[in-house]
Amino acid sequence: SQQGEEDPQALSIQEGENATMNCSYKTSINNLQWYRQNSGRGLVHLILIRSNEREKHSGRLRVTLDTSKKSSSLLITASRAADTASYFCATDAGGAGGTSYGKLTFGQGTILTVHP
Amino acid sequence: SQTIHQWPATLVQPVGSPLSLECTVEGTSNPNLYWYRQAAGRGLQLLFYSVGIGQISSEVPQNLSASRPQDRQFILSSKKLLLSDSGFYLCASQPYYGYTFGSGTRLTVV
Repeated sequence: SQQGEEDPQALSIQEGENATMNCSYKTSINNLQWYRQNSGRGLVHLILIRSNEREKHSGRLRVTLDTSKKSSSLLITASRAADTASYFCATDAGGAGGTSYGKLTFGQGTILTVHP
Repeated sequence: SQTIHQWPATLVQPVGSPLSLECTVEGTSNPNLYWYRQAAGRGLQLLFYSVGIGQISSEVPQNLSASRPQDRQFILSSKKLLLSDSGFYLCASQPYYGYTFGSGTRLTVV
């Protein structure tokens, strides 16, 4: 079954508004990562939050992690048309001795459209 | 910083034909390497990963195979393509935390 599930599947907002995307997962994790994908391109790493962290910021991005609820959120503040893309969360289950080998399980993604 | 070169960008192949997709990494050494497939612009499915030369692990049974003949080269192959092999194939590298992805190959099997 899919580890990461994003919500909503699609989000449409106006430029300047904030965009919030949520991700839920099922098993214990070592870290959770968010990626962005422009149409037909490769994914770009945005931010990583470790299981012992609760919040992290990077520019206009804010990520929270609630391990008790097995959920994370990505907030993009003051959105721009250039933020239009698909956003994916991905979980690294870790494991003893790093036995996950860095394998990530990706969610289905949220398609964000920011209208100028 | 590392760069992933992946080619070709698009490929149309007939059913039953062979496949070879190549991925090379620059700017790092001894990375973990991964092949993912993405269907219809949605979630990514891990196909293979490699932690070193000649070391390949398969995540799902399928018509594909992978090889890592050099530290920074990762190849995805098939002897006979199926229609169901169509999709967007992405190579990724992870030296520490956070993946760097290639630009992907869109494969259409006809």
